Amino acid sequence: NAGVTQTPKFQVLKTGQSMTLQCAQDMNHNSMYWYRQDPGMGLRLIYYSASEGTTDKGEVPNGYNVSRLNKREFSLRLESAAPSQTSVYFCASSERSSGVTEAFFGQGTRLTVV
Amino acid sequence: LAKTTQPISMDSYEGQEVNITCSHNNIATNDYITWYQQFPSQGPRFIIQGYKTKVTNEVASLFIPADRKSSTLSLPRVSLSDTAVYYCLVGGYFNAGGTSYGKLTFGQGTILTVHP
Repeated sequence: NAGVTQTPKFQVLKTGQSMTLQCAQDMNHNSMYWYRQDPGMGLRLIYYSASEGTTDKGEVPNGYNVSRLNKREFSLRLESAAPSQTSVYFCASSERSSGVTEAFFGQGTRLTVV
Repeated sequence: LAKTTQPISMDSYEGQEVNITCSHNNIATNDYITWYQQFPSQGPRFIIQGYKTKVTNEVASLFIPADRKSSTLSLPRVSLSDTAVYYCLVGGYFNAGGTSYGKLTFGQGTILTVHP
């Protein structure tokens, strides 16, 4: 049972380059999320997708775009990377079951923009 | 979304009970209280969730007073492996297209260090 899988695990980009972070979940969850975590800080929500076919902005969406490709996959794209986007990126999925909504997180993608 | 305040750090010793309190004075009627644990270089992991009174599972208890303006996560008999960052989250869950989702907002969390 893989849960939430993120690729790649590490990436170094030059300023201005673009890339897509991939996320897939195998739990048949409707809701998926992208967060970033800067050193010593809590997680901040970038974008979320309540269900397949919908996406919405979170706290810090500027500089990012997302695609909910299907129910399993939710990708995050950086069109023109900036050093301020150096961070650890976490993807998560959630579902409400037995009165509890639990989010499951991937292992993260450590991105450095130079 | 309700703002939360929790201690920046706490220290404990193996075998002790640890209580981490979170303040959320402007919690809304439909907000739930959820706690997550995060180890270095890993994603957060769900611990417990509640709405009011007391909730207990196999790893922790969550105490919520009647006014719901604070909550306390209780970890019984901690071990070295409980050293981690603990996040208190307050937020509602929204229904859209037959599903329920939450816009989780993480604060800075509490760094718990358990000593031998």
